[in-house]
Amino acid sequence: NAGVTQTPKFRVLKTGQSMTLLCAQDMNHEYMYWYRQDPGMGLRLIHYSVGEGTTAKGEVPDGYNVSRLKKQNFLLGLESAAPSQTSVYFCASRARQGSPLHFGNGTRLTVT
Amino acid sequence: KNQVEQSPQSLIILEGKNCTLQCNYTVSPFSNLRWYKQDTGRGPVSLTIMTFSENTKSNGRYTATLDADTKQSSLHITASQLSDSASYICVVSATDNDMRFGAGTRLTVKP
Repeated sequence: NAGVTQTPKFRVLKTGQSMTLLCAQDMNHEYMYWYRQDPGMGLRLIHYSVGEGTTAKGEVPDGYNVSRLKKQNFLLGLESAAPSQTSVYFCASRARQGSPLHFGNGTRLTVT
Repeated sequence: KNQVEQSPQSLIILEGKNCTLQCNYTVSPFSNLRWYKQDTGRGPVSLTIMTFSENTKSNGRYTATLDADTKQSSLHITASQLSDSASYICVVSATDNDMRFGAGTRLTVKP
């Protein structure tokens, strides 16, 4: 099982550019999440989805959009990247309420 | 102010020694508390979960404790190994999709 796969692993953007981060899980999980991890801080929730076709805002949603058109995929979009969005982005999924999160290995994004 | 505070921020121990990591939280209501291990360059992996009624739970050399009255949890690692070098993250759930992450404790085990 691949588990949770994130692509790309690394990316450098210029301010104002756009990009999409892809998260794919092969565990048939209902719930999927996008987090960002910054030095000295805990992971912060950007957006999440409780099932195919649904999305909801997390703690820090501004500047990001998401889509969950297929159950196994959760896309995170940056329409106009800003230096403040330099971070490591983690996708996670879980089967049901109360079950543990399964994380991908992250995407390191630098915005210059 | 973060609702989940972990201490120490970093810790260096010698292989074979024990250590204890602390997690204090103010998250309310409380649903459960999980400890995750995050190796460098990887995503976190769940070690153990504590619910309100549980005081102690072990997973191999890892033992987690929870005092729901004082809102404190600890993770004790016994007979440390080089592979224990990682960040350990405490995550407290208020409601099901409201999970608050601590900043983690960076543990380094030296030979």
